Amino acid sequence: KAGVTQTPRYLIKTRGQQVTLSCSPISGHRSVSWYQQTPGQGLQFLFEYFSETQRNKGNFPGRFSGRQFSNSRSEMNVSTLELGDSALYLCASSRRLAGGGETQYFGPGTRLLVL
Amino acid sequence: AQTVTQSQPEMSVQEAETVTLSCTYDTSESDYYLFWYKQPPSRQMILVIRQEAYKQQNATENRFSVNFQKAAKSFSLKISDSQLGDAAMYFCAYRSARWGDSNYQLIWGAGTKLIIKP
Repeated sequence: KAGVTQTPRYLIKTRGQQVTLSCSPISGHRSVSWYQQTPGQGLQFLFEYFSETQRNKGNFPGRFSGRQFSNSRSEMNVSTLELGDSALYLCASSRRLAGGGETQYFGPGTRLLVL
Repeated sequence: AQTVTQSQPEMSVQEAETVTLSCTYDTSESDYYLFWYKQPPSRQMILVIRQEAYKQQNATENRFSVNFQKAAKSFSLKISDSQLGDAAMYFCAYRSARWGDSNYQLIWGAGTKLIIKP
């Protein structure tokens, strides 16, 4: 079974630009979560999508948004990029069972550098 | 709010020896899940082991085992017969088992860098 894939793997942008990252979950997984990883703040939850609906959102400004398509693929968008948005963005997929017992499987991440 | 603490920023161990990584957490919930993830230099986050809070038996996966102390809110990871490929960042994570969208997220510790000495 193919794992979680993320594209692109590396990205360089300048301040003020916007960026779109893509995540394709494991086949059969309908939940996609996004995390931001930085040396200073560690791993922080961005948001989760399930059945094309955002179910939960972390404490990030409105510049961070996302969506999920009918095939469960997800995109996240960051507008008006700031230097502090430089990070590794990780996507995780799962089947999302009641009670939260299932495991989230992670993609390789997209490394974003904002200049 | 739940928090996860990993007090060891870095640990080192001789190849073939045993090492224990510490993790404590704070929660008022009685039902939850705990995870250890490994992140090697490739940055791919890989599940090492998971533990259900309602299970008293400690989880094991080959050379990896946990010491889950629910009352003490402690969840340490023991790696036996350490191998060079075990070198990575190790993250402890918590997730509530209470059904509800706001609880469906992993809460992470800061991580422990594990160095394996040949």
